[in-house]
Amino acid sequence: GAGVSQSPRYKVAKRGQDVALRCDPISGHVSLFWYQQALGQGPEFLTYFQNEAQLDKSGLPSDRFFAERPEGSVSTLKIQRTQQEDSAVYLCASSFFGTSYEQYFGPGTRLTVT
Amino acid sequence: RKEVEQDPGPFNVPEGATVAFNCTYSNSASQSFFWYRQDCRKEPKLLMSVYSSGNEDGRFTAQLNRASQYISLLIRDSKLSDSATYLCVVILYNNNDMRFGAGTRLTVKP
Repeated sequence: GAGVSQSPRYKVAKRGQDVALRCDPISGHVSLFWYQQALGQGPEFLTYFQNEAQLDKSGLPSDRFFAERPEGSVSTLKIQRTQQEDSAVYLCASSFFGTSYEQYFGPGTRLTVT
Repeated sequence: RKEVEQDPGPFNVPEGATVAFNCTYSNSASQSFFWYRQDCRKEPKLLMSVYSSGNEDGRFTAQLNRASQYISLLIRDSKLSDSATYLCVVILYNNNDMRFGAGTRLTVKP
């Protein structure tokens, strides 16, 4: 079956631009996670959704970062007024329910802010 | 101090070698532990969960030492296809965010 998909795969933004990154989780998966992975580092947790409810956003680095999942399936991570330090791979993962079940990761969106 | 620490490597080993990776975690409330594998420019994929009693999956053995807050992964009879970065992952009790280590890079050479 289809895995987690993300789009775009690559995004180049000029500093100060807004970007929107999309995640399509595996159908039927209740939980959705966003991570930020800098070069040479492990993924860093950003936020977690259970259906449409954003239950944890403690990892979002600033109020320029905003995530939503309005219908409990597709999710969008928005970054406003991008900065160079936002350059990273943004990974989305979904699981059947919470962290008790395996998380399946999408291929990521590589964001470069120039 | 990082919550999850790993030796970044790289570990360069010949085919057939046995290699071990270690990982330490700082929060004693951590309850769930995993090893993920990440190939270059690919997404992480679950390799195995780590249970208190230790567990084995083919050539891979994972162990947990709660007293020392330490997790290990042993790979026996290394294959070229084992070349990847191995990420140690920890979850706090009743928490939904997974804390990843920075990863240990393994290269298996012919």
